[in-house]
Amino acid sequence: DAMVIQNPRYQVTQFGKPVTLSCSQTLNHNVMYWYQQKSSQAPKLLFHYYDKDFNNEADTPDNFQSRRPNTSFCFLDIRSPGLGDAAMYLCATSSRPRSTDTQYFGPGTRLTVL
Amino acid sequence: AQSVSQHNHHVILSEAASLELGCNYSYGGTVNLFWYVQYPGQHLQLLLKYFSGDPLVKGIKGFEAEFIKSKFSFNLRKPSVQWSDTAEYFCAVMGGSQGNLIFGKGTKLSVKP
Repeated sequence: DAMVIQNPRYQVTQFGKPVTLSCSQTLNHNVMYWYQQKSSQAPKLLFHYYDKDFNNEADTPDNFQSRRPNTSFCFLDIRSPGLGDAAMYLCATSSRPRSTDTQYFGPGTRLTVL
Repeated sequence: AQSVSQHNHHVILSEAASLELGCNYSYGGTVNLFWYVQYPGQHLQLLLKYFSGDPLVKGIKGFEAEFIKSKFSFNLRKPSVQWSDTAEYFCAVMGGSQGNLIFGKGTKLSVKP
């Protein structure tokens, strides 16, 4: 009965080598979010999709991109990972954006950059 | 800018002890407040949330939280913890009704059997 699925759970990449993280959902929610959580820090919103509309946070580096080919799937692309991009990446979904609707989280993908 | 402070990084309790985890936020307007929990190896899940009305909110698994507007606080409580409550707890705030969710750094709770 998994609702928000993230693959892979662990990803290792090399400095500068593009990497893609995947998220899928079975909730049929309109909104999908990507958060970055560095060690001992708070999850930080990178961007979200409301249907096909992409909403980037002002301080999200250009190195981070996202794609949402359909309602169920959303991808996080890191074009040239740096050592500082090593983190847990969390995907979440909700019915409506910027609302009090509960956000449902996936288990996260832990990214290591060598 | 909104921010959330969770002052305790790691709390260690014995089973049956009472729990209170602190959460303070900075935001001058109407806020919506959340507590999320992350059990070992699992995803973040909602414990409880406050929008309006009774400032004492009851959530799942016997947890409750009290919104004290004058103190900008939303502390999480449980009268008697169990070993299965071992997890990391995150407080989050959403300013107004159309903001982003801003998380605190989390508090790790370890309950000794």
